[in-house]
Amino acid sequence: EAGVAQSPRYKIIEKRQSVAFWCNPISGHATLYWYQQILGQGPKLLIQFQNNGVVDDSQLPKDRFSAERLKGVDSTLKIQPAKLEDSAVYLCASSLGRQLNTEAFFGQGTRLTVV
Amino acid sequence: QKEVEQDPGPLSVPEGAIVSLNCTYSNSAFQYFMWYRQYSRKGPELLMYTYSSGNKEDGRFTAQVDKSSKYISLFIRDSQPSDSATYLCAMSDDTGFQKLVFGTGTRLLVSP
Repeated sequence: EAGVAQSPRYKIIEKRQSVAFWCNPISGHATLYWYQQILGQGPKLLIQFQNNGVVDDSQLPKDRFSAERLKGVDSTLKIQPAKLEDSAVYLCASSLGRQLNTEAFFGQGTRLTVV
Repeated sequence: QKEVEQDPGPLSVPEGAIVSLNCTYSNSAFQYFMWYRQYSRKGPELLMYTYSSGNKEDGRFTAQVDKSSKYISLFIRDSQPSDSATYLCAMSDDTGFQKLVFGTGTRLLVSP
């Protein structure tokens, strides 16, 4: 079974530029998550989708971050404009559904450096 | 105060040692407790999870939860160099794997 695919693996941009990350979840997984992991910290949930609807985006900085999951499969996370403090690894995860014991599987992440 | 506290390490041990990794938390609503392993430049992978208090064993790994003390542990027996990674604890209230709150992770180095 293929895992969660993310691209690009690495991205370097200047502050105030825009950037987008792409995630392809495991086939059949209805729930998709985006996490931000700053160096030396644990992942922090940014947004959760159930199919193509947003379940939780309470920790998403909506003034600069946006995410969508068109057709309930692939998802993109966008930052516009980027700030230095956005430098982090952006992890996508997916799970079959929202049942309590349903494990979330993580992708390898996109490492963003804002200079 | 962070909701979940975890010593960042690094923790260096010789091969074959018993490793103890710990987290403390402040939110008494947490009911699900997970341990993830994260190798360098990889995403976290689930090692074990427990619900409420008690122990759970899986091969060389044992997870313990003490809700009265708000303290969880992961023990690794007969540690191997391949166990060298960052170990993240994560917790949630009644949402299972949703809305996970992670610790900062403890970096473990097992030397041959």
